[in-house]
Amino acid sequence: GAVVSQHPSRVICKSGTSVKIECRSLDFQATTMFWYRQFPKQSLMLMATSNEGSKATYEQGVEKDKFLINHASLTLSTLTVTSAHPEDSSFYICSAREAVGGGTQYFGPGTRLLVL
Amino acid sequence: GIQVEQSPPDLILQEGANSTLRCNFSDSVNNLQWFHQNPWGQLINLFYIPSGTKQNGRLSATTVATERYSLLYISSSQTTDSGVYFCAVETIFGGGADGLTFGKGTHLIIQP
Repeated sequence: GAVVSQHPSRVICKSGTSVKIECRSLDFQATTMFWYRQFPKQSLMLMATSNEGSKATYEQGVEKDKFLINHASLTLSTLTVTSAHPEDSSFYICSAREAVGGGTQYFGPGTRLLVL
Repeated sequence: GIQVEQSPPDLILQEGANSTLRCNFSDSVNNLQWFHQNPWGQLINLFYIPSGTKQNGRLSATTVATERYSLLYISSSQTTDSGVYFCAVETIFGGGADGLTFGKGTHLIIQP
């Protein structure tokens, strides 16, 4: 149980285009979803927290107008990288949690974004 | 914010050896998870262990919350255990909405 999927698994796009990444909890309802970013040979860094039906909370230094997050339902959150640039190239990973106020976070398989 | 330090940063062992990975954190936590990141980037949940001891096969973990550290034990290492092991924590202050703070990881290489 507790499976989280992401789509696409990898994407290559031209600079200036927008890319949408989907994160789905397949067998549970996620009260909270999180988006992380990982640069090569580095650790994961939290970008934002999203709760269903409310605005996402962004970490310091993460541009909310560049990384649009929509948590439309209890099983789906999307991250849109708007006007992507080469420095946005990274590994984006989402996680989801069922319980309110704590508990295990289950991670998706990640999306590799390469902006040319 | 909370600080998470993992040691050692790199570890090379022969197949069959045992290892202990350490995670120190700077504040009280209500969530601590250990992960293994495979070569494709997938984070494999190993343990959810904000306190106490758990075992799963050749792996076990102990968290001493009062002393702010956690240990991951790997026994009888296999080459498939190679990869990066992350410890990640969530503070008690966020009400469950703060996300995880990750350590920098331990890069484990098991040689045949």
